[in-house]
Amino acid sequence: QVTLKESGPGILQPSQTLSLTCTFSGFSLSTYGMGVGWIRQPSGKGLEWLANIWWDDDKYYNPSLKNRLTISKDTSNNQAFLKITNVDTADTATYYCARTYGGLFAYWGQGTLVTVSS
Amino acid sequence: VQMTQSPSYLAASPGESVSISCKASKSISNNLAWYQEKPGKANKLLIHSGSTLQSGTPSRFSGSGSGTDFTLTIRSLESEDFAVYYCQQYNEYPFTFGSGTKLEIK
Repeated sequence: QVTLKESGPGILQPSQTLSLTCTFSGFSLSTYGMGVGWIRQPSGKGLEWLANIWWDDDKYYNPSLKNRLTISKDTSNNQAFLKITNVDTADTATYYCARTYGGLFAYWGQGTLVTVSS
Repeated sequence: VQMTQSPSYLAASPGESVSISCKASKSISNNLAWYQEKPGKANKLLIHSGSTLQSGTPSRFSGSGSGTDFTLTIRSLESEDFAVYYCQQYNEYPFTFGSGTKLEIK
C-alpha cells in the first residue's frame, strides 16, 4: 500500500525558508523510473507543480519559482524534501507530495497547510 | 504549456452525463491525465494517456482526445462523482494543470 505524508512548519514569516518533508511507504525511490513530486494549491485555487526528483537523483523545477526551490531525497529513510527560500504571502498554500511515474501523480498525500504571515 | 479547462463550474443531477474540456496551448500528444479532488481525501488519478482508465476508476468515466483537445466524460453520474476535476499535461516540463472544474449536484 502506497502512502505519503507531508510535514511542514505550519506558519512562517516572510523572507524565511520553508522546509517540507514527504515521508512515504509502499515504494522505493531507488526503483527505476520512480519519482516524487511536489505540488501546491492556494486556498480555493488550482494546482501548481513545483518540482520532481527521480530515482536517479535527476531533478526538475518549475521555472516560475526561479531559483528558490531545492528538492532532495533520502532513499534509505523513504523521504523527500523541498525547500523554498525567501517566502512571501503568495507562498501560502497547501503543499502536496505525490509519487510520480512517467510524469503521472498516481498517489498523493493529504497535504500540509503552510501560511506565510508576519 | 498552458492548459485551459472548461467549464469552471458545472451543475448536474445524478444519472446525467457531463463532459469537461481541456485544451493545451500546444500539442502534448496524448500525455494528458485527469484527477479528481474531494474534500478530506487524497487526489485521485482517474485517467492517463488521454483515455486510459487508471486501475480502480469506474467505467462510467472516459477520456478522449489527443494533440491539443481533450475531454473527460462521466456517464450516469453517481453521488460520489460530485467533486473537482483537473487535467494535467505531462508531455514536457514544467508540468501544468488546468484550472479545475467543480461538479456540483443540481
